Amino acid sequence: GAGVSQSPRYKVAKRGQDVALRCDPISGHVSLFWYQQALGQGPEFLTYFQNEAQLDKSGLPSDRFFAERPEGSVSTLKIQRTQQEDSAVYLCASSLGPVYSNQPQHFGDGTRLSIL
Amino acid sequence: AQSVTQPDIHITVSEGASLELRCNYSYGATPYLFWYVQSPGQGLQLLLKYFSGDTLVQGIKGFEAEFKRSQSSFNLRKPSVHWSDAAEYFCAVGAGIGGGSQGNLIFGKGTKLSVKP
Repeated sequence: GAGVSQSPRYKVAKRGQDVALRCDPISGHVSLFWYQQALGQGPEFLTYFQNEAQLDKSGLPSDRFFAERPEGSVSTLKIQRTQQEDSAVYLCASSLGPVYSNQPQHFGDGTRLSIL
Repeated sequence: AQSVTQPDIHITVSEGASLELRCNYSYGATPYLFWYVQSPGQGLQLLLKYFSGDTLVQGIKGFEAEFKRSQSSFNLRKPSVHWSDAAEYFCAVGAGIGGGSQGNLIFGKGTKLSVKP
């Protein structure tokens, strides 16, 4: 029973390194969302895709953050020149329908990123 | 801009007692409202959602929530709490444009629930 799969589950990087976080959505899901959850906070929206199109990236905190979904399935969130404030859990969610639909979002278990 | 407030950071209840978690939202149109639960190290699981219609919504695991437009609230309730309900609970509103669509979610800061034996 394939849910949303994220890898790696944990990532430790030194400040200044680049990291890549992967999200495998539920098969056939059209929409894909990325959220950032800081310690003790609720998730905050980063960006979303409908198929391969990135419809909204207004939540990306800086130009060091980049996301792609080239074939409309797997998505990668890349963070360049990581900073300590990037330490957080990065959650991916997918939804069966288009972004603006009533289909629920199904979340993965997240990638916990720690920047030393 | 839309926002969600969960006034209680941490709540402790005894097993078997009733539970109510508070959620207030700010949204200009009819909101799409959600409650999610998150266990440590896990992602978010959807408990229930409100889009329209009956303002009392039933969810999984015996939870329910009531949408009250006049109070801008969507409080989560459970008549009898089980030890396995200990987790963090997040209320969320859909940030959709016009027509009350879902779009991305805006979350509250969460309420941590502890259950005493």
